[in-house]
Amino acid sequence: KAGVTQTPRYLIKTRGQQVTLSCSPISGHRSVSWYQQTPGQGLQFLFEYFSETQRNKGNFPGRFSGRQFSNSRSEMNVSTLELGDSALYLCASLPGPPLHYNEQFFGPGTRLTVL
Amino acid sequence: AQKVTQAQTEISVVEKEDVTLDCVYETRDTTYYLFWYKQPPSGELVFLIRRNSFDEQNEISGRYSWNFQKSTSSFNFTITASQVVDSAVYFCALSAAGANSKLTFGKGITLSVRP
Repeated sequence: KAGVTQTPRYLIKTRGQQVTLSCSPISGHRSVSWYQQTPGQGLQFLFEYFSETQRNKGNFPGRFSGRQFSNSRSEMNVSTLELGDSALYLCASLPGPPLHYNEQFFGPGTRLTVL
Repeated sequence: AQKVTQAQTEISVVEKEDVTLDCVYETRDTTYYLFWYKQPPSGELVFLIRRNSFDEQNEISGRYSWNFQKSTSSFNFTITASQVVDSAVYFCALSAAGANSKLTFGKGITLSVRP
């Protein structure tokens, strides 16, 4: 069974640009959550999706958005990039609804560098 | 508010030594889950263990063992007879009860096992 796929793996952008990251969950999994990992702030929850609906959102500005498609694939978008958005963005998939006890299966991440 | 503290930032041991990674958490919830994840250099988070707040039984899995103590709000992880392949960043995380999968992570502990 294939794992979580994230594309692209590496991305370089300049300040002010926007970026879209993609996450394909494990086949049959229906929930996707996103995390940002930086050296300073560590791992922080961005948002989670189930049945094409955002179910929970972390404390990030509105420049960070996402969506989920009917095939459970998810994208996140960051507009007006800032230097501080440079991070590893991790996506995780869950087999069913997002519940607190679920094991999450993480992808390899997308390394975003903002110049 | 929830918080996870991993006071150790970096640990270096020689192969075959035992090592304990500490995790202290804060939550007002009576129902919650605790997790440990491993992050090898490849980047993806690998699930190691999940423990609910009502189960204080210690767990052993091969060379890995976990000690959960609600009285001290700690969930420590011990690797016995460490190996070079154990070198990674280890994260402790907390998930509160509810219809969401949000994980609150500690800052992580970088473990280096030298041959």
